[in-house]
Amino acid sequence: GAGVSQSPSNKVTEKGKDVELRCDPISGHTALYWYRQSLGQGLEFLIYFQGNSAPDKSGLPSDRFSAERTGGSVSTLTIQRTQQEDSAVYLCASSSQPQGIVGETQYFGPGTRLLVL
Amino acid sequence: SQQGEEDPQALSIQEGENATMNCSYKTSINNLQWYRQNSGRGLVHLILIRSNEREKHSGRLRVTLDTSKKSSSLLITASRAADTASYFCATIGTGGFKTIFGAGTRLFVKA
Repeated sequence: GAGVSQSPSNKVTEKGKDVELRCDPISGHTALYWYRQSLGQGLEFLIYFQGNSAPDKSGLPSDRFSAERTGGSVSTLTIQRTQQEDSAVYLCASSSQPQGIVGETQYFGPGTRLLVL
Repeated sequence: SQQGEEDPQALSIQEGENATMNCSYKTSINNLQWYRQNSGRGLVHLILIRSNEREKHSGRLRVTLDTSKKSSSLLITASRAADTASYFCATIGTGGFKTIFGAGTRLFVKA
């Protein structure tokens, strides 16, 4: 089937506005991850969903960031009152195995490039 | 933290040459993976090596793992211009810790 998809591909917003980023994981994948990648940098873990368990939110940088995963499938990352330092590529990944399991491979979406003016 | 760190940060080579990238990490791991990223977009999984393995091959890729030194290397043989990308190592710690990605090595292969 299709891979991980994300929308929008690009988002330009003004400082102080809220944005919603969407991720459609691979069908049947129970694990879903959000990462942030600033220009030329590595991936910064944001949040992890596994099945119906409480999400691991330990990577969210502030309370302006939140994420939901409805019905164990689609996920939305919301950034409230955006700041210029939120500008980055936001990557979503899904996996058929829970985090930490040997052999876990993450399948990444193409990312959403967010620019906050 | 068990963050992986790659070196060099950037590498420029001629087509046909071999490219070697290294990754170091801090804590015990279950496995280590290498990913590739083109043009700042999604990452693609390349290869996984388990903690009880020392070397693994996949096509032109060769990965080694030295758990005593907490390090891994990725070798791309007979590089091609199309190998130009950023390469990241990712570690999964024992006890079910989250996957940690390093900062990556940016490889540029000149035709």
